[in-house]
Amino acid sequence: AQRVTQPEKLLSVFKGAPVELKCNYSYSGSPELFWYVQYSRQRLQLLLRHISRESIKGFTADLNKGETSFHLKKPFAQEEDSAMYYCALLSGGYQKVTFGTGTKLQVIP
Amino acid sequence: EAGVVQSPRYKIIEKKQPVAFWCNPISGHNTLYWYRQNLGQGPELLIRYENEEAVDDSQLPKDRFSAERLKGVDSTLKIQPAELGDSAVYLCASSLAQLNTEAFFGQGTRLTVV
Repeated sequence: AQRVTQPEKLLSVFKGAPVELKCNYSYSGSPELFWYVQYSRQRLQLLLRHISRESIKGFTADLNKGETSFHLKKPFAQEEDSAMYYCALLSGGYQKVTFGTGTKLQVIP
Repeated sequence: EAGVVQSPRYKIIEKKQPVAFWCNPISGHNTLYWYRQNLGQGPELLIRYENEEAVDDSQLPKDRFSAERLKGVDSTLKIQPAELGDSAVYLCASSLAQLNTEAFFGQGTRLTVV
């Protein structure tokens, strides 16, 4: 069975500090990993996906198959980054999406 | 484009009563998902449709939950009868019918069963 683990429920950082939101997964096949974000009073939306290898709003995430991780990073946190972040795994053929429990990022001014 | 539209936004019902949620996906999106999100948890898939066919309903509690997408567009999710443990946010999402495409979420319906 596939599983996504986000060990931190809450991560508080000061503005300008680096951010790393942790995500580990277990899946026997070849995974597709995503990060979704939910800002206050807004709907859940895609932030980035590993196959795109792009930086969105300064965030990047690298898939590490050896460590089965897909941590989300940003070198300098901004107040507008405060939100709930969910890591998600898409299993190939079945199109089954499994979400982690989420991490609330709080950027302190 | 309004995105995925869900109604109602909030619903409070007494236990043992029925309740229904409605979802209108983004135009042209053949794949539709219903998720349940309990407090402090991530979304959990209940059912996925490809057009009008339910292709994954393995997580749907079929004794009290039902869903339909008759014309392959709008969808309804029903709970009958509701239990206290059904209190959650019910999310609808849609995507293009292609592998590995982004899912777009609605605002969700917050259900409180008292």
